[in-house]
Amino acid sequence: GQSLEQPSEVTAVEGAIVQINCTYQTSGFYGLSWYQQHDGGAPTFLSYNALDGLEETGRFSSFLSRSDSYGYLLLQELQMKDSASYFCAVNRDDKIIFGKGTRLHILP
Amino acid sequence: EAGVVQSPRYKIIEKKQPVAFWCNPISGHNTLYWYRQNLGQGPELLIRYENEEAVDDSQLPKDRFSAERLKGVDSTLKIQPAELGDSAVYLCASSLATSGEQYFGPGTRLTVT
Repeated sequence: GQSLEQPSEVTAVEGAIVQINCTYQTSGFYGLSWYQQHDGGAPTFLSYNALDGLEETGRFSSFLSRSDSYGYLLLQELQMKDSASYFCAVNRDDKIIFGKGTRLHILP
Repeated sequence: EAGVVQSPRYKIIEKKQPVAFWCNPISGHNTLYWYRQNLGQGPELLIRYENEEAVDDSQLPKDRFSAERLKGVDSTLKIQPAELGDSAVYLCASSLATSGEQYFGPGTRLTVT
């Protein structure tokens, strides 16, 4: 079968660092994507990891360990506008499967 | 460059009525997806097109849902008849490649009463 697990909610303080974890179980794995979705908005692409290691894009970084079927999204210098839902998604050779999302709450 | 365009943005219908959603993907994107997203959930794939061919419709409830992508560009998703449980946001996305970055449209929020 296939599954994706990520925490349903995470709370952090403005200016801090937060990590959102994702574990997966699937066949035909190509890579792990992360998407951000604000309330009422469309999902927008953040990052993609096909190989093990850390990918950095500005304040956001994403990590993948294929051997552990595990990845995470790291958000630094949190801003209030980062309050949103974050989805990890498994890229397979035939489709992308989304997790249920992690709601990130940021406190001032 | 224009993004993925969807219409309508909102639709309210009574159960048993038909409804259709339209999507215009990003120019040059051969792969088009229709997703359904329920509140508090991730997008769930309904159907994927490669050009005009539906290559994955395994999650599409074929008794009431249908889709088409004429000429490999615009696409229409139809529900007939709608049920209360169909209330959700219907998202269209496109990408250059199947496993690549997807670009989502703003979605159509459907309410079935």
